[in-house]
Amino acid sequence: QVQLQESGPGLVKPSETLSLTCAVSGYSISSGYYWGWIRQPPGKGLEWIGSIYHSGSTYYNPSLKSRVTISVDTSKNQFSLKLSSVTAADTAVYYCARPTLWSSSFDYWGQGTLVTVSS
Amino acid sequence: EIVMTQSPATLSVSPGERATLSCRASQSVSSNLAWYQQKPGQAPRLLIYGASTRATGIPARFSGSGSGTEFTLTISSLQSEDFAVYYCQQYNNWPPRELTFGGGTKVEIK
Repeated sequence: QVQLQESGPGLVKPSETLSLTCAVSGYSISSGYYWGWIRQPPGKGLEWIGSIYHSGSTYYNPSLKSRVTISVDTSKNQFSLKLSSVTAADTAVYYCARPTLWSSSFDYWGQGTLVTVSS
Repeated sequence: EIVMTQSPATLSVSPGERATLSCRASQSVSSNLAWYQQKPGQAPRLLIYGASTRATGIPARFSGSGSGTEFTLTISSLQSEDFAVYYCQQYNNWPPRELTFGGGTKVEIK
């Protein structure tokens, strides 16, 4: 059974960098898929942040591209998100997810982690 | 950017009734459309991908249709556990250069 688990600080100060890691179990990241990060501000909808392949190939949401870095560590079977220069607008539940074999829709999700940007 | 627009924002339905949710894309996404269900405090759950293919374990009362720019999610007979927020998502390219979600439709008890 594929499982994903997000981890990282729940509170980040404005202008600093948000850093999260997604640990994957039950499946080897090296076997394929574009693993994704998605976020959801409180009471609002879903926003795709970006996706990464095990080779390190990345794609980012154009609206966040200048501030986002997604990386992968196949030895630890995990991938990570960094979002720089955060503001209160970046306060959200952050999810990591794996797409289906046949599409870029996501069938395995982490439980999500709330990151609050506040001084 | 492909913009996804869902309607209505809120749908009030009685248990046992049929619910019809709409999703419109700002440009054609072919059949590259997924639907998710989300309950409070939970991650989204994939219901439909490829516009009409049910994901593993999804009951037959959920069906998806459409192609191009107009899509529909139908819940044939609403059960108590179906009251939730539903999102559509387009994935009209490979690799995933641009993935966008609709704003959601909340299905509430009438």
